[in-house]
Amino acid sequence: QQPVQSPQAVILREGEDAVINCSSSKALYSVHWYRQKHGEAPVFLMILLKGGEQKGHEKISASFNEKKQQSSLYLTASQLSYSGTYFCGTADNYGQNFVFGPGTRLSVLP
Amino acid sequence: SAVISQKPSRDICQRGTSLTIQCQVDSQVTMMFWYRQQPGQSLTLIATANQGSEATYESGFVIDKFPISRPNLTFSTLTVSNMSPEDSSIYLCSVEYGTGEAVQETQYFGPGTRLLVL
Repeated sequence: QQPVQSPQAVILREGEDAVINCSSSKALYSVHWYRQKHGEAPVFLMILLKGGEQKGHEKISASFNEKKQQSSLYLTASQLSYSGTYFCGTADNYGQNFVFGPGTRLSVLP
Repeated sequence: SAVISQKPSRDICQRGTSLTIQCQVDSQVTMMFWYRQQPGQSLTLIATANQGSEATYESGFVIDKFPISRPNLTFSTLTVSNMSPEDSSIYLCSVEYGTGEAVQETQYFGPGTRLLVL
């Protein structure tokens, strides 16, 4: 079952922060985050495994709350290069049935 | 990181024909995946291409429609058979470095193949 992402779209000014959420109705083993720019292939950002860890990648970090079956992606001091569509992907508690969320379109304006 | 190439990059095909898409990786990888993405939509996993065994298809996708080959650890093909306009989409291959147990390692995507079926 496809995870739910919120918001569907967000517009920011350069330097502002954003949070993108990904939630599932089923127990999760892992959550993956990707960014896709228009006309390009998705680019892997990070993976979070069951255990509630938080990861960081430059000014982009993410958390995973397995009890709530949700993950959040944090973009700090956004840059123009952060624009794109962000997808979360989830695998169930057995590490199977990997599915992408519908995506969140992020636009960073100067 | 892995460098992935796909051929063709785009094609326009007639209804009822078949197209084979190739995916080449510059290093050996354990698992390869095939995805479909409609313009402006999310990615849908078609199947996992396993070297030395049959591909594993996701719900809604069958081998007769999307046969997959994986002759070695650096190459895979996806065939879209008996095409209809509904098959018009972007098809992407993806590779993962990992243990092969689950989708839990870094995934790299190829540039995609844009398919239009008339």
